[in-house]
Amino acid sequence: DGGITQSPKYLFRKEGQNVTLSCEQNLNHDAMYWYRQDPGQGLRLIYYSQIVNDFQKGDIAEGYSVSREKKESFPLTVTSAQKNPTAFYLCASSQDFNQPQHFGDGTRLSIL
Amino acid sequence: AQRVTQPEKLLSVFKGAPVELKCNYSYSGSPELFWYVQYSRQRLQLLLRHISRESIKGFTADLNKGETSFHLKKPFAQEEDSAMYYCALRVGGYNKLIFGAGTRLAVHP
Repeated sequence: DGGITQSPKYLFRKEGQNVTLSCEQNLNHDAMYWYRQDPGQGLRLIYYSQIVNDFQKGDIAEGYSVSREKKESFPLTVTSAQKNPTAFYLCASSQDFNQPQHFGDGTRLSIL
Repeated sequence: AQRVTQPEKLLSVFKGAPVELKCNYSYSGSPELFWYVQYSRQRLQLLLRHISRESIKGFTADLNKGETSFHLKKPFAQEEDSAMYYCALRVGGYNKLIFGAGTRLAVHP
């Protein structure tokens, strides 16, 4: 689904640094989501947003922060408080909370 | 507890053989289930949802509330079906999806 763009594809972080993962969608979707995927596990919800200027914690929000200043953008910041940030991060969006989610290509974050 | 279990990490079949990818869920409410697929070098995409009762690419899945299962089936596997398949359960009012760990389907010629 070319309407959701995540960047960069690969990201490296030094210990103690914050990094921000970008997620942009041109589908005019109201809802957006961030998931984390670890090897051999399913996706786990980090944060979600129903509309602009509103977002809520998911199951594993500790060490992460988000903003939703524009409808099309939902950046995720991985802070230094996140103890194990190495993972694959997926952004998704849906028209509203009743519609299926569409996913981006993901960003792979690694710690140097 | 809300949970989705896909017991097989890998399912390997020959072309033309029937396929069944297993999915079991645990949820006290009224379940809504999905199958997502990820082909090589492509993004995760929705394959089908149980409320649609549709067949996509020859795949079907029936929700069995008694057995709490939502197995994905196809009568004759094709090589292009090789991919990673994830079962997901929607819970709550905010479209939260709980994913299984996924099953890799490998279809051999």
